[in-house]
Amino acid sequence: AQSVTQPDIHITVSEGASLELRCNYSYGATPYLFWYVQSPGQGLQLLLKYFSGDTLVQGIKGFEAEFKRSQSSFNLRKPSVHWSDAAEYFCAVGAPGNSGGSNYKLTFGKGTLLTVNP
Amino acid sequence: DGGITQSPKYLFRKEGQNVTLSCEQNLNHDAMYWYRQDPGQGLRLIYYSQIVNDFQKGDIAEGYSVSREKKESFPLTVTSAQKNPTAFYLCASSSQWSSYEQYFGPGTRLTVT
Repeated sequence: AQSVTQPDIHITVSEGASLELRCNYSYGATPYLFWYVQSPGQGLQLLLKYFSGDTLVQGIKGFEAEFKRSQSSFNLRKPSVHWSDAAEYFCAVGAPGNSGGSNYKLTFGKGTLLTVNP
Repeated sequence: DGGITQSPKYLFRKEGQNVTLSCEQNLNHDAMYWYRQDPGQGLRLIYYSQIVNDFQKGDIAEGYSVSREKKESFPLTVTSAQKNPTAFYLCASSSQWSSYEQYFGPGTRLTVT
């Protein structure tokens, strides 16, 4: 079964500083990888995804992530954080559903809470 | 606008009562999912459905039930057998034609006392 680890429960950065959120996954085959963001009391919004091809993927809001197969990692980065980026971030890995259908289940990490200081 | 609707936003129930959470989508997605979110626990899959009239248990299905009678609707019933039902519940949907990414609703916060 697949699993996702986000080692950092809470990260605090200053506005304008760079950001890297870590994600490590465990999955036997080529994974489908996602990063989602959640504002307090809200649903999740997809930031970016990786399926194949270029290992550096660009997402919305200036975020990017790099897939490193050798390290089983999919870290999220942003060169300059804005106060509006404060939220909780979830990494997820996708795998086929039990019935073998074409829709995938996602396994989520426990999240990293980002605080941005002015 | 297409999207996922969950209602109500907040729900309060007494212990021992069953409660049904609504999830509707107009994205024409085949698959729908229910997750439970607790502080520090991430999202855990309760049930999912890949097609109408079919659904599978997720990782924490005990004490929950679902139905999928229509493509756009996937209600979740939290039964009295669920030992710790107070949580934030999220519904999502996906399409095989959109590379399996899941779209989420705004969530329902259920409080049982």
